Amino acid sequence: KAGVTQTPRYLIKTRGQQVTLSCSPISGHRSVSWYQQTPGQGLQFLFEYFSETQRNKGNFPGRFSGRQFSNSRSEMNVSTLELGDSALYLCASSFMSSGANVLTFGAGSRLTVL
Amino acid sequence: KQEVTQIPAALSVPEGENLVLNCSFTDSAIYNLQWFRQDPGKGLTSLLLIQSSQREQTSGRLNASLDKSSGRSTLYIAASQPGDSATYLCAAPNFGNEKLTFGTGTRLTIIP
Repeated sequence: KAGVTQTPRYLIKTRGQQVTLSCSPISGHRSVSWYQQTPGQGLQFLFEYFSETQRNKGNFPGRFSGRQFSNSRSEMNVSTLELGDSALYLCASSFMSSGANVLTFGAGSRLTVL
Repeated sequence: KQEVTQIPAALSVPEGENLVLNCSFTDSAIYNLQWFRQDPGKGLTSLLLIQSSQREQTSGRLNASLDKSSGRSTLYIAASQPGDSATYLCAAPNFGNEKLTFGTGTRLTIIP
């Protein structure tokens, strides 16, 4: 079974630009979550999608948005980039097993904002 | 709101020793707790998931325990090896079984 695939792996943008990151979940997984990881704040939850609907949302400004397609692939978008948006963005696909939400993470997309 | 704390932030241990990593959480109404490993610049690898009905979960040299009443979990690594060097994160769900809150991790270095 292929794992969670995130593209691109690395990218550099400048302030004010926008960026779109993609995540392909494990086949059969319908839930996709996004996390931002920075040295100062650690891993912070952005949002979760299930069957094309946003099911949970973290405390991030409206510049951060996402969507999920019918094939469960997900994208997240950050508009009007700020220096503080530089981070590793991690996507996880999940399934329910014995009542637990079991997450499998991708390798991440490392965004640098200059 | 769930808060997860991991202490210490960094730990160095000689190869071959046994060690314990600690995780504490504030909301004990959880269905499960997970431990992950992260190598530098990489994503997270799931190590162990403990259900609330369990007290321990084992995988090879790793053993995780969960004490909901005290809001604590530990990850025990036996006979440590240099390949165990990584950051270890624990994560607990909010409101029982929803989005995960992660600790800031313990960066483990095994000294050959």
